[in-house]
Amino acid sequence: KAGVTQTPRYLIKTRGQQVTLSCSPISGHRSVSWYQQTPGQGLQFLFEYFSETQRNKGNFPGRFSGRQFSNSRSEMNVSTLELGDSALYLCASSSWDRAKLYNEQFFGPGTRLTVL
Amino acid sequence: GESVGLHLPTLSVQEGDNSIINCAYSNSASDYFIWYKQESGKGPQFIIDIRSNMDKRQGQRVTVLLNKTVKHLSLQIAATQPGDSAVYFCAEVSISNFGNEKLTFGTGTRLTIIP
Repeated sequence: KAGVTQTPRYLIKTRGQQVTLSCSPISGHRSVSWYQQTPGQGLQFLFEYFSETQRNKGNFPGRFSGRQFSNSRSEMNVSTLELGDSALYLCASSSWDRAKLYNEQFFGPGTRLTVL
Repeated sequence: GESVGLHLPTLSVQEGDNSIINCAYSNSASDYFIWYKQESGKGPQFIIDIRSNMDKRQGQRVTVLLNKTVKHLSLQIAATQPGDSAVYFCAEVSISNFGNEKLTFGTGTRLTIIP
């Protein structure tokens, strides 16, 4: 099976712009989670989508949003970019089998966003 | 999964020696814990997990110990190899009433294996 893919891998934007990042989960996985990784804050949970619905949300401002399509692919959007939004944005997918105690999350390589 | 620039605790270990990476967690109600390895240019990769009702779990060359009394988790890597050089994160997992999971990551430790 192909792993989680994220596009683009690298992105440079300027303050005030908006950006859209894309994530394609492992085939058959219906849950997609997004994380922000920065040197200062480490890995922080943004939100999780399952069957096109946001199920869980971290503590990020409303400038950060996401969505999931019927094929489970997900996008996240950041509007009015700030310098502090420079980070590695990671996407993870899981199969979410209710019968299992937990469902391992498989991470993509991330999108490196630089805001100038 | 680049880790350049991360201000992390670091650990340097001679190749072939054992290493121990520590992690303190905050939520005593976490359902289980996971150790991830992140190599340069990659996303975090699952290494081993442990349920909250266990004290120890062993995998191939790795052992995770859980001390719930002091909310401490450790990852032991035996006979380290150059390929073990990476940043290691612990994550605590909470499962909601709806069954979905939320991961909270620790700050990470950069492990360097000296040839």
